[in-house]
Amino acid sequence: QSVLTQPPSASGTPGQRVIISCSGSTSNIGRNTVNWYRQLPGTAPTLLIYTENLRPSGVPDRFSGSRSGTSASLAISGLQAEDEADYYCAAWDGNLNGWVFGGGTKLTVL
Amino acid sequence: EVQLVEAGGRLVQPGGSLTLSCAASGFTFNRYNMNWVRQAPGKGLEWISYISTSTSTIFYADSVKGRFTISRNNAGNSLYLQMNSLRAEDTAVYYCAREVSTRFGDNWFDPWGQGTLVTVSS
Repeated sequence: QSVLTQPPSASGTPGQRVIISCSGSTSNIGRNTVNWYRQLPGTAPTLLIYTENLRPSGVPDRFSGSRSGTSASLAISGLQAEDEADYYCAAWDGNLNGWVFGGGTKLTVL
Repeated sequence: EVQLVEAGGRLVQPGGSLTLSCAASGFTFNRYNMNWVRQAPGKGLEWISYISTSTSTIFYADSVKGRFTISRNNAGNSLYLQMNSLRAEDTAVYYCAREVSTRFGDNWFDPWGQGTLVTVSS
């Protein structure tokens, strides 16, 4: 059972907008910034969104993040086949003194 | 190029020990806090340990506390994870990750290594 809660799956057709949610608590998302990681099949995770809504160089602006209270969201617009991957949210938890991850959301492009 | 390369994963018997290493290159290693994250087969990511630049601060997940020891060699640009009393549930790909920090207190992992597989089985 992950500390952060994500839907296990999400899907959309090419061109659609998909939103992946991440729910936490006051000890993690409620007081610390959220990061998102993408993991393509058979590869290591890579940074997708940091500090809630910032994109590393090379990540297209189709990807955006937001946070409200103890929840965060990752939005992917103009869905493309190459977006099929597992997506994880993460935040520092001040009570646990450690990083906590969501269980991951497998995105399927139909 | 900023790079992290893990090594040391292999098949080990329950109750056994193993040490993983992570070789860093392309950045000033002693300026970054480091972490280990693992992923069991078909499962999600699980953070397991953090070490600060000077090793003055170390944290562990409850699942490995008392069994795993994180360490680093700044002169050698290397991170380590000593794993003792290994259990079947420790079977996973182990990733090292550099923690990027800002003066505002924001932190994130970038990059991650490619991972090394540890299999605990008799």
